Amino acid sequence: AQSVTQLGSHVSVSEGALVLLRCNYSSSVPPYLFWYVQYPNQGLQLLLKYTSAATLVKGINGFEAEFKKSETSFHLTKPSAHMSDAAEYFCAVSDPNFGNEKLTFGTGTRLTIIP
Amino acid sequence: DAGVTQSPTHLIKTRGQHVTLRCSPISGHKSVSWYQQVLGQGPQFIFQYYEKEERGRGNFPDRFSARQFPNYSSELNVNALLLGDSALYLCASSLHERSSYNSPLHFGNGTRLTVT
Repeated sequence: AQSVTQLGSHVSVSEGALVLLRCNYSSSVPPYLFWYVQYPNQGLQLLLKYTSAATLVKGINGFEAEFKKSETSFHLTKPSAHMSDAAEYFCAVSDPNFGNEKLTFGTGTRLTIIP
Repeated sequence: DAGVTQSPTHLIKTRGQHVTLRCSPISGHKSVSWYQQVLGQGPQFIFQYYEKEERGRGNFPDRFSARQFPNYSSELNVNALLLGDSALYLCASSLHERSSYNSPLHFGNGTRLTVT
């Protein structure tokens, strides 16, 4: 069974600083991996997805993530944090038998930006 | 184009009652999936419906049921509500039954259910 683990339920960074949100996965087959963002009182918005085409994936709002098979990791980064990045971020892995309809999510990381 | 719409946005129910949540997918999307997000946790898969048939079910009791209508909208029903059913219920739509990475899930803003 697929699973993801997000290290750090809360992360605080200063505005303009590097954002690093950690995600490790467990999968018996090559995974499809996703990062979603959730703003207060809203649903989930796809930030980026890894589908084996390239190990470095660029997403929206300046975010990117690197797939490292040797470390079973898919960490999310952004070079310079902006106040609007404050939100909850979820890493997810898809079920190879279901496609993208059945995602297994991590527990989330709440990102706080310090002015 | 309108996104995935869910109604109601908020709901308060008493233990033992029944609740129906509604979802309208993006126009042209035939697949609807339901997720439960308990406070402080990530969403958990409940159901997927495609062309009015159940295509997948997560680890939820039989108190949870759903259906999809000919216009691809969907309802999630929960019977005999428990305090632990309090959560944000998210609906997501996609084009196909088994979407590839080119056809990601589109989530609605959810229905927040509080059971007292």
